[in-house]
Amino acid sequence: AQSVSQHNHHVILSEAASLELGCNYSYGGTVNLFWYVQYPGQHLQLLLKYFSGDPLVKGIKGFEAEFIKSKFSFNLRKPSVQWSDTAEYFCAVTPNYGGATNKLIFGTGTLLAVQP
Amino acid sequence: DGGITQSPKYLFRKEGQNVTLSCEQNLNHDAMYWYRQDPGQGLRLIYYSQIVNDFQKGDIAEGYSVSREKKESFPLTVTSAQKNPTAFYLCASSNLTAGNTIYFGEGSWLTVV
Repeated sequence: AQSVSQHNHHVILSEAASLELGCNYSYGGTVNLFWYVQYPGQHLQLLLKYFSGDPLVKGIKGFEAEFIKSKFSFNLRKPSVQWSDTAEYFCAVTPNYGGATNKLIFGTGTLLAVQP
Repeated sequence: DGGITQSPKYLFRKEGQNVTLSCEQNLNHDAMYWYRQDPGQGLRLIYYSQIVNDFQKGDIAEGYSVSREKKESFPLTVTSAQKNPTAFYLCASSNLTAGNTIYFGEGSWLTVV
């Protein structure tokens, strides 16, 4: 069965520190990859997604992620975090069955707390 | 204003009672989904529907039921058979074309006492 692993469950950083959140998936075929963010009291929002093409994907709010196919990874990065980045981050995968997107498989989430 | 509307936002029920959570979307999306979010477990798929009058079980369908009589509506019923119903429930929708994003509603908190 397909699965998604997020290695860091809880990350605490100071403002201006660099961020990297790990995400690995288990599926041998073609995949679509996503990072979602859930700010306190708000609904899940899409940060960025990879479907095809350049494996380095840029998203909103200065986030980026790199798809490394050989490592089955899609790590999320930000060079300098802000207090407002405090949120829970979810990596998600959907197998690419002929291009259709459905049945997102989520990781367990990483809670990021940024200290001012 | 386009989007996904879930109601109610907070709901309390006594054990043994069925409860139905509403989800409506005006995005003209073909597919709709219900996820359950529990601390430390991420989001788990309960049911999904890719077309009206058809739906499929997800990973944790036991104790839940759904219907898809209209394209824009996908209500979820949490039955008394669900052993641990207290959770945060998220409805989502998407089109079924390549690379499309799944969009989420604001969620419904269900507490069973």
